[in-house]
Amino acid sequence: GAGVSQSPSNKVTEKGKDVELRCDPISGHTALYWYRQRLGQGLEFLIYFQGNSAPDKSGLPSDRFSAERTGESVSTLTIQRTQQEDSAVYLCASSLGPGLGWYGELFFGEGSRLTVL
Amino acid sequence: GENVEQHPSTLSVQEGDSAVIKCTYSDSASNYFPWYKQELGKRPQLIIDIRSNVGEKKDQRIAVTLNKTAKHFSLHITETQPEDSAVYFCAAIEANQAGTALIFGKGTTLSVSS
Repeated sequence: GAGVSQSPSNKVTEKGKDVELRCDPISGHTALYWYRQRLGQGLEFLIYFQGNSAPDKSGLPSDRFSAERTGESVSTLTIQRTQQEDSAVYLCASSLGPGLGWYGELFFGEGSRLTVL
Repeated sequence: GENVEQHPSTLSVQEGDSAVIKCTYSDSASNYFPWYKQELGKRPQLIIDIRSNVGEKKDQRIAVTLNKTAKHFSLHITETQPEDSAVYFCAAIEANQAGTALIFGKGTTLSVSS
């Protein structure tokens, strides 16, 4: 597609359930980032994947959060045993880069709005 | 890791006035400083960026200044218009063995009244 695609756009779940959020980056973008945005708050860095390097998981808030990426394609963010404080918009972004030490414009998806009841 | 502080959290101006948003960062090795604009209910989008080899960059009504010694950078919007109303985020680079990530400030909600 032309832009970063995320699914689902909205997800309502019960406390304790697991959820999976999907991100399709722009074709050819080697870097992929996940951010969390609570209502009225800033962009909280969670994790990023860059080329074939091991992902930087330093921003993940707890061991209930994990993410995978298949090559330089789709990424899935998984939240296990969801809690009410996990309610937020989860934004995925991708950027074009040859690898380590490169930086540039992030192209964001529309986000996945997660509501934990 | 990188820490980015942004001020003010909210800013209200009259149409035609100027608006200034300031950010500080902690990692002296950071060398790329973008600004993103997020309109209500929409995704953040890059509006301007600056690299550490220059002190100022301008694009029409918006400009960014950088002071590497003091580790702060600012966004300046002149002749503000109602469509400038949005949340603005500054960011700085955090680099490690895995690569680089953008660390964002907490955002400034700009309201431009006509």
